[in-house]
Amino acid sequence: GENVEQHPSTLSVQEGDSAVIKCTYSDSASNYFPWYKQELGKRPQLIIDIRSNVGEKKDQRIAVTLNKTAKHFSLHITETQPEDSAVYFCAASGNQFYFGTGTSLTVIP
Amino acid sequence: EAQVTQNPRYLITVTGKKLTVTCSQNMNHEYMSWYRQDPGLGLRQIYYSMNVEVTDKGDVPEGYKVSRKEKRNFPLILESPSPNQTSLYFCASSLDRGKNIQYFGAGTRLSVL
Repeated sequence: GENVEQHPSTLSVQEGDSAVIKCTYSDSASNYFPWYKQELGKRPQLIIDIRSNVGEKKDQRIAVTLNKTAKHFSLHITETQPEDSAVYFCAASGNQFYFGTGTSLTVIP
Repeated sequence: EAQVTQNPRYLITVTGKKLTVTCSQNMNHEYMSWYRQDPGLGLRQIYYSMNVEVTDKGDVPEGYKVSRKEKRNFPLILESPSPNQTSLYFCASSLDRGKNIQYFGAGTRLSVL
């Protein structure tokens, strides 16, 4: 089956700096790559996604890049704010969803 | 309001006592799924369903059953719960297969004593 690895597991940045979270996957059949944000005690919520026919997608301060050849994709958050503090999960999907183990992001005011 | 509703939100039970966690969505979604979330392990898919009467095992199906008799409902059944099934469970749905936004329920925190 698919194996999704996510790094780093924890990340602290100063407010206003950028944050980058990286994921790798193993199954070349995976073709959908969403990113979820989960605040403490809440459900995961989609923040951005990318499909395998696209290399990059941006939504305001959030961007995702996908390198199909190398089987890795990354989340980029620019101009970080304290409300960006949360756990972020990447996932890879064909029919099944496989999630990474999460990155706990802390934005220091 | 579009939503995924799961019940109960909290449940404490004892080993071996059968239980069902219900999940319902009002978005006419074809794809529904159950996950468990454990510290350090992220979200792991238990079962998924691509349509009525179609269910498939995910990564960690042992000890669980599901059914999909109607499009909107996808209950998770633990026939004989064990302490290693203590976890936070999420139901999710999406328009179709694994290529669309998944909407998650609020979660069910289960403790098996």
